[in-house]
Order: sequence, then C-alpha cells, then structure tokens
Amino acid sequence: QVQLQESGPGLVKPSGTLSLTCAVSGGSISISNWWSWVRQSPGKGLEWVGEIYHSGNTNYNPSLQSRVTISVDKSKNQFSLKLTSLTAADTAVYYCAREERLPACAYFDSWGQGTLVTVSS
Amino acid sequence: DIQMTQSPSSLSASVGDRVTITCRASQNIDRYLNWYQQKPGKAPKVLIYAASTLQSGVPSRFSGSGSGTDFSLIISSLQPEDFASYYCQQSYSTPQTFGQGTKLEIK
Repeated sequence: QVQLQESGPGLVKPSGTLSLTCAVSGGSISISNWWSWVRQSPGKGLEWVGEIYHSGNTNYNPSLQSRVTISVDKSKNQFSLKLTSLTAADTAVYYCAREERLPACAYFDSWGQGTLVTVSS
Repeated sequence: DIQMTQSPSSLSASVGDRVTITCRASQNIDRYLNWYQQKPGKAPKVLIYAASTLQSGVPSRFSGSGSGTDFSLIISSLQPEDFASYYCQQSYSTPQTFGQGTKLEIK
C-alpha cells in the first residue's frame, strides 16, 4: 500500500515561491505511474496543478503553466512542486496524489493527507 | 478546458435513502469519469472510476453510470458514514477537471 506525505512551509509571502515535497513510501516512484499535485481552495474547489512521470516528463495545468515546475528525485523516492509569483489566490490545501492509468481511464488512487499553504505577508 | 457541472450542490437525506448525484461534462468524455468522496479534513477517496467500476474496498451500495456527457453516482441505501462531499472528475483530456462538489448532509 503506497503512502504519500507532503511537506513544506505553511506560510509564504505574496510574490514569493511555494516549495512542497511529496515523499512516497511503500512503493517505488519509478514504476508506471504518474504523480500529481492537486490543490483545493474554498473559492475554486479541486484544481489539478500538474503531474510528472519518473522519466521526468511533465504536464501542467495551462492556467498555471508559466509559474509551475514539478520535479522528481528517484534516489529519494519523492517529487516536488514549485509555484512562483504567489498571490492570495494560491492559498489552498495542496495534495500530492498517485495516478493510476488504465487503457480507458485514469484516476487518483492514493493521496497524501494534504498541507495547507497560506499566502500572506 | 472541459467544464464539469454537478447537481445538486447540496442535498439533505436520511439514513436508508437512495440518493443520486449527477455530473455533466461540457463535451464528450466517453467514460473517463471518476467519483470521489471527501470527508472534512481528509483527502478525497476514489469510489468509482471509468464511470461505473467500483474501486476495491468500496461498498456495493455505491454505483456509477453514464457515458458521453451525462453521468450519475447512486448510493442505494445511505449509511451514516456516507455523509460527506462528492466530486466527479474527468480524465479525458488535460487539464483534468473536477466538478464543484455535492455536499450530502443528514436530514
């Protein structure tokens, strides 16, 4: 049973950079899964931020693409999120999640517990 | 982006009731539709994937149906632990998008 655990600062200043890490345990990040970040704010509900494969291939939400970078560290079995030029609208609970991809569907089958990031001075 | 619209946004029901939540996509998504349950302070948990496939370990009182643009999540007999929020999600195209959620409350 794979487990995911987010970590990072809970408070970040406006115009600053959010940096979060998701540690994967109970399984290798280097298997045939994509690994995603999803955020949830009261104003916008659940929003997919982006994803990464262990090869380093990434896909990002076009609404955030200019500000987002997702990277993977296979040696530490973890992946990370960086989001720049923060505003109050980026205040949210950030989840990391594993995506199961099947021939006819893809869904998030494992999630971290989530970490609240507040953008405020 | 594909817009996902759930209805109702909130719903009051009693234990034992049969409940239906619907989700409409702004364009055809075949059967690339998933349903999640979320309880306060917790991460979402997948219930149904590929429109109608029950995730392992999920009670059989949950079922899903639909294809194309219209989908439904049915809970056949509500149990106390089912009072939560429910979200649909399309994985047909990037960016993956979620419905706005349905909050299921005790009547």
